[in-house]
Amino acid sequence: DAKTTQPNSMESNEEEPVHLPCNHSTISGTDYIHWYRQLPSQGPEYVIHGLTSNVNNRMASLAIAEDRKSSTLILHRATLRDAAVYYCIRLNSGGSNYKLTFGKGTLLTVNP
Amino acid sequence: NAGVTQTPKFQVLKTGQSMTLQCAQDMNHNSMYWYRQDPGMGLRLIYYSASEGTTDKGEVPNGYNVSRLNKREFSLRLESAAPSQTSVYFCASSEGVLGGIQYFGAGTRLSVL
Repeated sequence: DAKTTQPNSMESNEEEPVHLPCNHSTISGTDYIHWYRQLPSQGPEYVIHGLTSNVNNRMASLAIAEDRKSSTLILHRATLRDAAVYYCIRLNSGGSNYKLTFGKGTLLTVNP
Repeated sequence: NAGVTQTPKFQVLKTGQSMTLQCAQDMNHNSMYWYRQDPGMGLRLIYYSASEGTTDKGEVPNGYNVSRLNKREFSLRLESAAPSQTSVYFCASSEGVLGGIQYFGAGTRLSVL
């Protein structure tokens, strides 16, 4: 089962950090953790991904627990434009079919 | 660089009508995907094409057919539309390698009356 568990919704204030949690307790050793987000009325867009080590890019940081059973997406300073649904996805590395399995994600509300 | 382009953006069909949703990518990606998204839900995979010349069923393939016309284009066909196929359809592409990022189009909003 490639499912992950995320809170249905979270709320943040503008310019404050946001920590979005994700549980993936059955993850296998070679499964990547991907994060995508979907702004209202748009297609999903890639945010960040990682395997074992913490990762940083211009959009966010990804902190992966040592046992890999959970991870946290960190937005360092939330803006109104970050209001979106955030999806944490376990990407099965088996075979050659790198399919994303989306859950319902976390709806992030950013207050001005 | 256009990325992933979907046409049309909006469509209204009557039950039983057929139509084809078009998708093209200009990133020279090997893999392409079709998803649908119903209100309040995450995306569900309909069909995918791991490489040119191959197609495979995803989670919800019933009522749909696909064609990987060439490396750039991947179309989704509804032969006899049903109200249950009212949804937003997204096309995506990726390099098709482990850990590869998927790039999504803007979506096609389809209503079947």
